[in-house]
Amino acid sequence: AQKITQTQPGMFVQEKEAVTLDCTYDTSDPSYGLFWYKQPSSGEMIFLIYQGSYDQQNATEGRYSLNFQKARKSANLVISASQLGDSAMYFCAMRGYNNNDMRFGAGTRLTVKP
Amino acid sequence: DAGVIQSPRHEVTEMGQEVTLRCKPISGHDYLFWYRQTMMRGLELLIYFNNNVPIDDSGMPEDRFSAKMPNASFSTLKIQPSEPRDSAVYFCASSAGGRGVNQPQHFGDGTRLSIL
Repeated sequence: AQKITQTQPGMFVQEKEAVTLDCTYDTSDPSYGLFWYKQPSSGEMIFLIYQGSYDQQNATEGRYSLNFQKARKSANLVISASQLGDSAMYFCAMRGYNNNDMRFGAGTRLTVKP
Repeated sequence: DAGVIQSPRHEVTEMGQEVTLRCKPISGHDYLFWYRQTMMRGLELLIYFNNNVPIDDSGMPEDRFSAKMPNASFSTLKIQPSEPRDSAVYFCASSAGGRGVNQPQHFGDGTRLSIL
């Protein structure tokens, strides 16, 4: 079975600073992918970044980067230079080779303060 | 290229009525997922299809819920009879890539369902 854990229900960050959103996972799949999604107050789910379990380097996508520590089974999202528009819910998710659906964590609500 | 299209965007109906939610996945995607999102339970996977075949429906709450995918470009989620506790946002998502673990899901805008 796959499990995704996001332990921070809410986070605050000052505009222009960096913030790390935590995600840990558990799976028996030998190969898997980790994803982060953003859900603003308007409700849509926006794909942000992907990390493969066999990728040697941490994924980056603009101001988003993924701090992937395979041995610790963590895949934290780092947002650099936070902007007011980054205020949203952020979901970590995982998709396994054998468990081919996508499982989501409970989410972290990020608030960026001016 | 068009994204995942869901209809209706909003639905308000009375308890006991049948509700049908519709989804058109992105062309070429071979996986389709139905999710329900509530404040209390978060984002729950209800069912997913691969090549129009239901693979896992263990998340479907009860027999009042059913989902079909008659072809690669259309799926429905039906609730009959509806109850107030079914009120939620229902998302449809699709993804490509066969068993590729690197394929993200692309979500529709959701259907906000209110059962009075």
